[in-house]
Amino acid sequence: NAGVTQTPKFQVLKTGQSMTLQCAQDMNHEYMSWYRQDPGMGLRLIHYSVGAGITDQGEVPNGYNVSRSTTEDFPLRLLSAAPSQTSVYFCASSRTGHNQPQHFGDGTRLSIL
Amino acid sequence: AQSVTQLGSHVSVSEGALVLLRCNYSSSVPPYLFWYVQYPNQGLQLLLKYTSAATLVKGINGFEAEFKKSETSFHLTKPSAHMSDAAEYFCAVSSRTSNTGKLIFGQGTTLQVKP
Repeated sequence: NAGVTQTPKFQVLKTGQSMTLQCAQDMNHEYMSWYRQDPGMGLRLIHYSVGAGITDQGEVPNGYNVSRSTTEDFPLRLLSAAPSQTSVYFCASSRTGHNQPQHFGDGTRLSIL
Repeated sequence: AQSVTQLGSHVSVSEGALVLLRCNYSSSVPPYLFWYVQYPNQGLQLLLKYTSAATLVKGINGFEAEFKKSETSFHLTKPSAHMSDAAEYFCAVSSRTSNTGKLIFGQGTTLQVKP
């Protein structure tokens, strides 16, 4: 099994550009989420989804959009990139339920100039 | 609101010494608790989780953690550190009263193991 696959692994953008970070999982997990990791701040939840067609905001949703048209895919969109969005982004998935461990992708390292 | 505090952003131990990484949570109802490890340039891997069975939880790679409700703590320990344990460790909580599965993470602790 591939698990959780994130693409691209690295990306450099200019301020104002848009892009989509891709996330796919092959474990038939209902729950998927996006986090950003910044030094000294741990991981902060951006958006999450409890199933296809259902999304909700996390702790730091501003500047990001998501959609969930299939169980497998959960893309994260930056509509107008800002330097403050320079970070490492992780996608995770799990079976539904509050005690299920989350499976993480390897991350996308995003720099915005 | 739930929160997680990891005491010490950096911990340094000698190879063979005891590893102790501290985690305290704040929650009106004891949450589900997790420890994750992150090796350089990788995603997070689950070390262990507490879901209200035994209060002493054993995980992978010789790590264990003890849930102490009276202290609102879930500290991670390993009797003897190996060089391969050098990584960043995250404590996380998930609410028992919400089925969204959202995790709240601590700030992380970087473990350095000296030869």
